[in-house]
Amino acid sequence: EPEVTQTPSHQVTQMGQEVILRCVPISNHLYFYWYRQILGQKVEFLVSFYNNEISEKSEIFDDQFSVERPDGSNFTLKIRSTKLEDSAMYFCASRRGEAYQFFGPGTRLTVL
Amino acid sequence: AQSVTQPDIHITVSEGASLELRCNYSYGATPYLFWYVQSPGQGLQLLLKYFSGDTLVQGIKGFEAEFKRSQSSFNLRKPSVHWSDAAEYFCAVGGYSGGGADGLTFGKGTHLIIQP
Repeated sequence: EPEVTQTPSHQVTQMGQEVILRCVPISNHLYFYWYRQILGQKVEFLVSFYNNEISEKSEIFDDQFSVERPDGSNFTLKIRSTKLEDSAMYFCASRRGEAYQFFGPGTRLTVL
Repeated sequence: AQSVTQPDIHITVSEGASLELRCNYSYGATPYLFWYVQSPGQGLQLLLKYFSGDTLVQGIKGFEAEFKRSQSSFNLRKPSVHWSDAAEYFCAVGGYSGGGADGLTFGKGTHLIIQP
């Protein structure tokens, strides 16, 4: 069964450093998403991406965040200058048209 | 703005007993509704979804949910729970975009505990 994969599974970084979280969506999917889940809290939508551009973003997704689909398979989330409050589990998701979102296993980001 | 309320933070059920997890949503148009399950340290797995049509939807692992527009609810049910059902359950709502749901809004989750 096809699945969304994410790397790394756990990333530890120092405050102020840049991090890139990587996702490989399911190959024939067209819509891509990032969500985050701070420990013990609900899952929050960050951004959706379609046709090589952002289609929707939440208020969490400020100028410190960016997304990119650098090639035909990867979808990345970059945080330019990490803060302590960026520590969370980050989930990538993808879907085709008439379908639900498939979620990846997540990357746990720890900012020290 | 859309929102999801899961009023029960924790629910404890005996193994073999029936289960109902509550979900209320607020959305301006016809919603796309979902239930996801998350086991400790794992990602989100879809249990079931409602897009349109029959308001009673069946999902995996014996779960079902009923969409009630008049009550803005989408409660999850299972007639007989198993110890392996212990997990965090999230209700989510999304709007229509490109033939499916776009950015989802999740509830805070209900932590299900199964007593032997």
